[in-house]
Amino acid sequence: SQQGEEDPQALSIQEGENATMNCSYKTSINNLQWYRQNSGRGLVHLILIRSNEREKHSGRLRVTLDTSKKSSSLLITASRAADTASYFCATEGATNDYKLSFGAGTTVTVRA
Amino acid sequence: GAGVSQSPSNKVTEKGKDVELRCDPISGHTALYWYRQSLGQGLEFLIYFQGNSAPDKSGLPSDRFSAERTGGSVSTLTIQRTQQEDSAVYLCASSLISGTQPYTFGSGTRLTVV
Repeated sequence: SQQGEEDPQALSIQEGENATMNCSYKTSINNLQWYRQNSGRGLVHLILIRSNEREKHSGRLRVTLDTSKKSSSLLITASRAADTASYFCATEGATNDYKLSFGAGTTVTVRA
Repeated sequence: GAGVSQSPSNKVTEKGKDVELRCDPISGHTALYWYRQSLGQGLEFLIYFQGNSAPDKSGLPSDRFSAERTGGSVSTLTIQRTQQEDSAVYLCASSLISGTQPYTFGSGTRLTVV
């Protein structure tokens, strides 16, 4: 079953603009991760945020986590055409079942 | 190896035939995961290996699906008597240890059952 739900399902922005997508989940987690997928193939890990962290940065990426609301957001600043991809949040449950549960993803299109 | 390798990259098979999908994880990664992704959908968990044992097979959709891992390395996912609903991209991932580690994914095997 899918734990995370991304919002919006799809996003189209102009190059240089910021892109924000959200993820909500249902049960307690150890950590939440964001992945990018190009062309329906393998996923690439972007960033991991632990349950005791509230914000994390990596280059042009900013992730926030609000465990009280069971939600996370991914912000991509100054977007580029190469950022066009699907973005997935994934959660590792607090029951230590060691597998990630993925949402359905947000498809981001960056227009040149 | 440098990354997770999956083979074949594409497989077209006739309904009712058996298929084997292979995953070669990153050397030293003890945890290995299989997921399935249908067109435009998220990832559906199938099975998880820690070493050669599979503590969690909860995601296997039916008894037509099985997987094994040998030598703590290569894993094979077998689908018997394939059905059209088995058509999907099958993704394998590995991580250094299980829990709180990012996954490294392979490029997947696109399975088409005709």
